[in-house]
Amino acid sequence: EAGVAQSPRYKIIEKRQSVAFWCNPISGHATLYWYQQILGQGPKLLIQFQNNGVVDDSQLPKDRFSAERLKGVDSTLKIQPAKLEDSAVYLCASSLVGGGESYEQYFGPGTRLTVT
Amino acid sequence: GQNIDQPTEMTATEGAIVQINCTYQTSGFNGLFWYQQHAGEAPTFLSYNVLDGLEEKGRFSSFLSRSKGYSYLLLKELQMKDSASYLCAVRGGSGNTGKLIFGQGTTLQVKP
Repeated sequence: EAGVAQSPRYKIIEKRQSVAFWCNPISGHATLYWYQQILGQGPKLLIQFQNNGVVDDSQLPKDRFSAERLKGVDSTLKIQPAKLEDSAVYLCASSLVGGGESYEQYFGPGTRLTVT
Repeated sequence: GQNIDQPTEMTATEGAIVQINCTYQTSGFNGLFWYQQHAGEAPTFLSYNVLDGLEEKGRFSSFLSRSKGYSYLLLKELQMKDSASYLCAVRGGSGNTGKLIFGQGTTLQVKP
């Protein structure tokens, strides 16, 4: 089965510019997550979707970050305007709806963002 | 608050056994996960515990004590390819909406 796809893999922008990341989850996975992973730290959840509805966006800096999941499949995460501290790897993950191990999250390769 | 603690770095010798500990304090508990992350790559699932006790999967085992807020990952017969970061994550809340909270990760270096 195809894994979680993300693009681009790398992005370098200047502060105050905008950037968008794209994610295509595993087919049939209803739940999609966006994480931010700063170097040397564990992933931090930014937003969680179930189908096309937002379940948790409590840690999303809403003044500059936005995300959508139209039609409950693909998702985009946008940053506008970017700050230096946004430099990180942005990971997309997906999981089946269910309990136990079926909640296992499958991660994409990530997008490494550098803000200069 | 919510807090997950694990050692920052560990070093072990090829062929040996290593135990990576994780302690947690979270609002709600609905399972604990261990992920492996090689440098520059995405995390991959290793194990899941929701009940107390030991879960074994080949060379890897994971233990959970909910009353102590404690888990460990045990790696046996270490190989060079086991050099990676190991992430402990707790699923808080309930049901499918409980989000994963990750620790900072333990970087394991396996030496010949």
